[in-house]
Amino acid sequence: SAVISQKPSRDICQRGTSLTIQCQVDSQVTMMFWYRQQPGQSLTLIATANQGSEATYESGFVIDKFPISRPNLTFSTLTVSNMSPEDSSIYLCSVVMPGQSSYEQYFGPGTRLTVT
Amino acid sequence: TQLLEQSPQFLSIQEGENLTVYCNSSSVFSSLQWYRQEPGEGPVLLVTVVTGGEVKKLKRLTFQFGDARKDSSLHITAAQPGDTGLYLCAGASAEYGNKLVFGAGTILRVKS
Repeated sequence: SAVISQKPSRDICQRGTSLTIQCQVDSQVTMMFWYRQQPGQSLTLIATANQGSEATYESGFVIDKFPISRPNLTFSTLTVSNMSPEDSSIYLCSVVMPGQSSYEQYFGPGTRLTVT
Repeated sequence: TQLLEQSPQFLSIQEGENLTVYCNSSSVFSSLQWYRQEPGEGPVLLVTVVTGGEVKKLKRLTFQFGDARKDSSLHITAAQPGDTGLYLCAGASAEYGNKLVFGAGTILRVKS
């Protein structure tokens, strides 16, 4: 597996502002994903971060609200735009290692976001 | 409606006891994963099962994939306080675009 870090680990933000979350991996990976884990709930896939092209968003998530970048094979960012209290959640990136199934994902430590 | 139903939702047991967590669906999954998540951390992959009827063991943890690939179980023998955490099953199914879907999780607390 790889070492995956996320920044920031937590933040408290005011409504209407935006926060960019970074996901850094210590080795090249084939796939990167962004998930949301709302309090007391399971993980929901937001989007697949595609290297060098636009992310692929799941139903209910749009690029204007959650712009994603993936400039290379080891780094991705997720921005939560125009935040509201409903965006309070843990945001997790996950990766797939070369040669492994896309279903075997390794997760970063998460970013705990609170919107006031 | 949760695509993967986990039970129980919460389990509090004494150290040394055995327990089983279940993950059920009406859909067929090409593979199923079990993760453990501790507070402030991301989920950690424990195992992947892909063959119907498959059984995998990881020390005191035994994972089973149902014959029809619609369900799975996680059995822990002689639970220890270090087993405390949120256990999540996740699976990939052609019915859901082969994206990884997660169960709601089982919160396990092992008391010493």
